[in-house]
Amino acid sequence: DAKTTQPPSMDCAEGRAANLPCNHSTISGNEYVYWYRQIHSQGPQYIIHGLKNNETNEMASLIITEDRKSSTLILPHATLRDTAVYYCIVAYSGAGSYQLTFGKGTKLSVIP
Amino acid sequence: GAGVSQSPRYKVAKRGQDVALRCDPISGHVSLFWYQQALGQGPEFLTYFQNEAQLDKSGLPSDRFFAERPEGSVSTLKIQRTQQEDSAVYLCASSQWTGSYEQYFGPGTRLTVT
Repeated sequence: DAKTTQPPSMDCAEGRAANLPCNHSTISGNEYVYWYRQIHSQGPQYIIHGLKNNETNEMASLIITEDRKSSTLILPHATLRDTAVYYCIVAYSGAGSYQLTFGKGTKLSVIP
Repeated sequence: GAGVSQSPRYKVAKRGQDVALRCDPISGHVSLFWYQQALGQGPEFLTYFQNEAQLDKSGLPSDRFFAERPEGSVSTLKIQRTQQEDSAVYLCASSQWTGSYEQYFGPGTRLTVT
């Protein structure tokens, strides 16, 4: 699986958009980008995933660059409840056990 | 609906004791995963079940770790002769389909070995 690089921490003002970057320069054509988050003392929570088109759901938007070497997760109006560690994961869509390979993620702190 | 549940939520074991951690996945979910999360780190894969078959146990750190899912629903992770380095949060996740990275996680069991 391709490796990912994320900043270790970020701050965001409450009500503003949070933009979390992820570099995955060695991603291959059949690998998806997944985002999870983990709120303190809880299990990880699936947010969104994409292959090459931008995606949006009720939680967030995912912007993937045309060359697919990087992506950005956007939380449009961050709230205090969005304070969590955010993980960007690149996953191969083929045979295998479909295990998630987590890195260290980005600790997002939403400031009142 | 009910999510993934794990029990106990907290477990303290003396070094050398055996422990058993339980996972109740979402009803009907085919795939079940166990992960181990050390303090300050991301979760790390331990093992994977498709129904009752354990298809991948490459992440189990030693032969003291054993997992089962005999009827394709509830799963148990057993650790024999616990060591201090086994102290971690053990997370269970399930997914509806084979081949899905969209996994639903339980709250985890925090194991402390003293």
